[in-house]
Amino acid sequence: DTAVSQTPKYLVTQMGNDKSIKCEQNLGHDTMYWYKQDSKKFLKIMFSYNNKELIINETVPNRFSPKSPDKAHLNLHINSLELGDSAVYFCASSHRIYEKLFFGSGTQLSVL
Amino acid sequence: AQKVTQAQTEISVVEKEDVTLDCVYETRDTTYYLFWYKQPPSGELVFLIRRNSFDEQNEISGRYSWNFQKSTSSFNFTITASQVVDSAVYFCALSEGGNQFYFGTGTSLTVIP
Repeated sequence: DTAVSQTPKYLVTQMGNDKSIKCEQNLGHDTMYWYKQDSKKFLKIMFSYNNKELIINETVPNRFSPKSPDKAHLNLHINSLELGDSAVYFCASSHRIYEKLFFGSGTQLSVL
Repeated sequence: AQKVTQAQTEISVVEKEDVTLDCVYETRDTTYYLFWYKQPPSGELVFLIRRNSFDEQNEISGRYSWNFQKSTSSFNFTITASQVVDSAVYFCALSEGGNQFYFGTGTSLTVIP
């Protein structure tokens, strides 16, 4: 069983479209995250949820909206996609603060 | 200001050479944790080590070793007798609590056969 799974692995879409990335963890962790990795490999946190509650919301355009229906799931919806949104998006989870992050395999988003 | 600095952007070594990846961090907390992650060309992020701020003992795991020095705020990673499979991007990270991880910009290591 994959600990943190995210789908799809690849997402190719046109500018202006709306898309979603799904993430699920089966580790029983309380905290989930979305990270964005740009072309220079820089990992930047976007959002963090703890028990379905948003606790970190970095400077991210309003077009990005996370949704956590339960503590095992954290989805990312992106409206009106732009070229600059092209990146790899990683979902992650952790049990408690200071604990290591378990990452999903990433979603390569390409906006054409 | 960058909380985690990995000054080496890219490093190339010949197989079997030793290589050290530098990591300097900045925090005012007394309790914090430091991490190293590996990202091979396949793209996944692989956890390597977690070290808390109260344990300055160096750690060795096979060909990997880590040197934690609070006096210089550094947590360096050494690979002994490097192999081609070690080629990857390596990230150092800091957790101060509050569910926030700060990642360095990564060091891309290429091991040449």
